[in-house]
Amino acid sequence: DIVMTQSPLSLSVTPGEPASISCRSSQSLLHSDGYNHLDWYLQKPGQSPQLLIYLGSSRASGVPDRFSGSGSGTDFTLKINRVEADDVGVYYCMQGVQIPVTFGGGTKVEIK
Amino acid sequence: QAQLQESGPGRVKPSDTLSLTCGVSGYSIIDEDYWWGWVRQPPGKGLEWIAYIYYGGDTYYNPSLKSRVTMSVDTSKNQFSLKLNSVTAIDTAVYFCARYHGVRGWFDPWGQGTLVTVSS
Repeated sequence: DIVMTQSPLSLSVTPGEPASISCRSSQSLLHSDGYNHLDWYLQKPGQSPQLLIYLGSSRASGVPDRFSGSGSGTDFTLKINRVEADDVGVYYCMQGVQIPVTFGGGTKVEIK
Repeated sequence: QAQLQESGPGRVKPSDTLSLTCGVSGYSIIDEDYWWGWVRQPPGKGLEWIAYIYYGGDTYYNPSLKSRVTMSVDTSKNQFSLKLNSVTAIDTAVYFCARYHGVRGWFDPWGQGTLVTVSS
């Protein structure tokens, strides 16, 4: 199985400041289609996960441009410019390049 | 716009079979681009992929659960189902159903989730 490792485990951010979350995979997520099959999800408190970023860097419909994804191969980053109060929750990365689909352990983001 | 809703018992006894159904509204389950899946989350823990199914019936299961899991699809009712047999306390979790893009590989949207507790 591909192991997904996120860091940090938690993050406390002042509103308006940037935030960055790292996700590393134990194997390359580069698919034969030329895309990195890495997604980012946000699970707000008491809610189901929602898709933020797919294929490493493509924003899902309706996701603010404050969110951006980057990286390739085994190292990926989710960046939030100017964190807002509504961004609190747990962020997960997920790989879909190989069965079984696997998720990172999550990064909890809170507001200072 | 697709909406997914899980349904099923909130409590299952140890060694019994957990059965859940995901109803899909606003979107036909018969779409060649999508698979339909299940992900679970034990209380206070992370996400674990269980399985997904194509409208034609093809399935992929997580090897860690494969011996106990069965998925099925009912296109006439626009829904799909999950069965997990021989459950124990470690199967206690919130179970989410979600649509999975077969090419781009993302889950979206997700159902609200349903808590299933394994307890006698």
